[in-house]
Amino acid sequence: DTEVTQTPKHLVMGMTNKKSLKCEQHMGHRAMYWYKQKAKKPPELMFVYSYEKLSINESVPSRFSPECPNSSLLNLHLHALQPEDSALYLCASSRRGVSPLHFGNGTRLTVT
Amino acid sequence: GDSVTQMEGPVTLSEEAFLTINCTYTATGYPSLFWYVQYPGEGLQLLLKATKADDKGSNKGFEATYRKETTSFHLEKGSVQVSDSAVYFCALSHTGANSKLTFGKGITLSVRP
Repeated sequence: DTEVTQTPKHLVMGMTNKKSLKCEQHMGHRAMYWYKQKAKKPPELMFVYSYEKLSINESVPSRFSPECPNSSLLNLHLHALQPEDSALYLCASSRRGVSPLHFGNGTRLTVT
Repeated sequence: GDSVTQMEGPVTLSEEAFLTINCTYTATGYPSLFWYVQYPGEGLQLLLKATKADDKGSNKGFEATYRKETTSFHLEKGSVQVSDSAVYFCALSHTGANSKLTFGKGITLSVRP
């Protein structure tokens, strides 16, 4: 069982829809991450939150909007996505400093 | 910049065969090194890690040793099982606030009965 919980597991949305991905952890980790993973590729970093503040944005298009309401929750708001945004979106968390990331099982997003 | 190079795949082995997956890295300083595994339909799980030269990480029968002189972190297992079939990613990160990971391309391992 993963200690990072992501919902929903699957999401199909049209290009004009607005949807949100949710991530929750209760390990007391103060760094949280969003990654995008295309098939047969390694995960690509999108955003990093440290102590609920956005610390890294890897030049992600504005149609992806992250939010960290508190230390346990991380959201990714989606709007006007393109079909090429279809991918597995992974959330992760870690303690500060050099420590392993704990990943959720991801949300499989399909944009039609 | 940092980079991680993994051997080309996929790799197909028979059950109980010996496994080696090569990983080399380029980085400044002294990064920490990781192996992550991704089973079908799941996220990534930390398999093992090493934080300094000559450290050996081990878990579930897998081992890898941090070799500074050859900048390598090869993954080995003496006897693979069908349940080891997955994608394996080598990765590194530096000390810092955000533990930003640099991943290799990943390699798919299939173990046949």
